[in-house]
Amino acid sequence: DAGITQSPRHKVTETGTPVTLRCHQTENHRYMYWYRQDPGHGLRLIHYSYGVKDTDKGEVSDGYSVSRSKTEDFLLTLESATSSQTSVYFCAISDPAGGEQFFGPGTRLTVL
Amino acid sequence: GENVEQHPSTLSVQEGDSAVIKCTYSDSASNYFPWYKQELGKRPQLIIDIRSNVGEKKDQRIAVTLNKTAKHFSLHITETQPEDSAVYFCAAFLNTDKLIFGTGTRLQVFP
Repeated sequence: DAGITQSPRHKVTETGTPVTLRCHQTENHRYMYWYRQDPGHGLRLIHYSYGVKDTDKGEVSDGYSVSRSKTEDFLLTLESATSSQTSVYFCAISDPAGGEQFFGPGTRLTVL
Repeated sequence: GENVEQHPSTLSVQEGDSAVIKCTYSDSASNYFPWYKQELGKRPQLIIDIRSNVGEKKDQRIAVTLNKTAKHFSLHITETQPEDSAVYFCAAFLNTDKLIFGTGTRLQVFP
């Protein structure tokens, strides 16, 4: 597996609390992505980054924000978690953009 | 918006038979089409990909075909084995640095 990790791997939280998920890579890849995976929906892009401090929205960005202050770290924040954000979250990296994406191990988030 | 449709959502085959999964895409500018395999509880992993300047690509028992005119591409697995059982995702790369994934096909190979 490419050098990509996610933390935490599992989290249970309550509605209304803030949550931050971290993606860390050691491959020096320029592009980083956050997806959520839900039954029947496949992988849906939340936000992505094309460089340090350069980010853009994906198809399901409402309720999520991201930050990338270093090449190796990409943070996903749920400012006020809702039950609809219960999901498995995957981070991915690539370089170039139109090449293979390598996925992290995933984070299972449950919002009660 | 751009989307990728994938069919079937589930597929059951006998060991040794072939399996075919089909995808269609909406953005005619898409130029890269990867296929990912995801085993239960694991991360998606690339198994094969194709670019728009190629019509077919093979890797042992796996092949992908692309019809740019019709905007569809397919995954073919021959001589299926129980370890091929997994969820398979197709995807299309947009010229906005994004991959759009299909909704997945759950393949079950029975011994």
